[in-house]
Amino acid sequence: SYELTQPPSVSVSPGQTARITCSGDAVPKQYVYWYQQGPGQGPVLLIYKDRERPSGIPERFSGSSSGTTATLTISGVRAEDEADYYCQLTDTSGTSYVLFGGGTKLTVL
Amino acid sequence: QVQLVESGGGVVQPGGSLKLSCAASGFTLNTHGMHWLRQSPGKGLEWVALISYDGRNEFYADSVKGRFTISRDISKNTLYLQMNSLRGEDTAIYYCARDGQFLTSVKEYFFDYWGQGTLVTVSS
Repeated sequence: SYELTQPPSVSVSPGQTARITCSGDAVPKQYVYWYQQGPGQGPVLLIYKDRERPSGIPERFSGSSSGTTATLTISGVRAEDEADYYCQLTDTSGTSYVLFGGGTKLTVL
Repeated sequence: QVQLVESGGGVVQPGGSLKLSCAASGFTLNTHGMHWLRQSPGKGLEWVALISYDGRNEFYADSVKGRFTISRDISKNTLYLQMNSLRGEDTAIYYCARDGQFLTSVKEYFFDYWGQGTLVTVSS
């Protein structure tokens, strides 16, 4: 079955650009979704179908995908963006149905 | 606006049972598939179960198949997760989430709304 690999942590200073990657053999085959999870909160959908933003999500959040790597880019990082970020896709290879990356903790320095 | 509120979590002994509820508002359960997911303390997200928008199909993660049952009551607009034969590794925050697709069972799953979660602790 497939796996999705994310870096455990990314650190950036306020105003800088953060890039969080999600790698796996399934990435070229399926749409990738991104979620943000603040402390003690349920996740929030940030990006759907690789690069689309739900209404209400700021434009500084963007998604892209190339080859076996999808990337979540946060431009002009703010202190409030400090959270855990997860990528996800539909697993059509077996019976797990849904696959998540291990998550990336974004620290705003 | 869409809201999902989970309840029913608590402490249960290994081998015991628990039933979680998820009250939905702002939409009706027969328009979207609904999922249960969980997150062990300090760990990542794990998908648990899905019921299709028309209620005809249920799918489960291998880790819970045969022990957990997802169901819904349209009249109460409430989703359920019956958990039997609970194990220590089932300890987690359980979230209900709405599938982002409308009136379709196409196998393209994502979660556009999540609840705040309810904690299940399996311990003697």
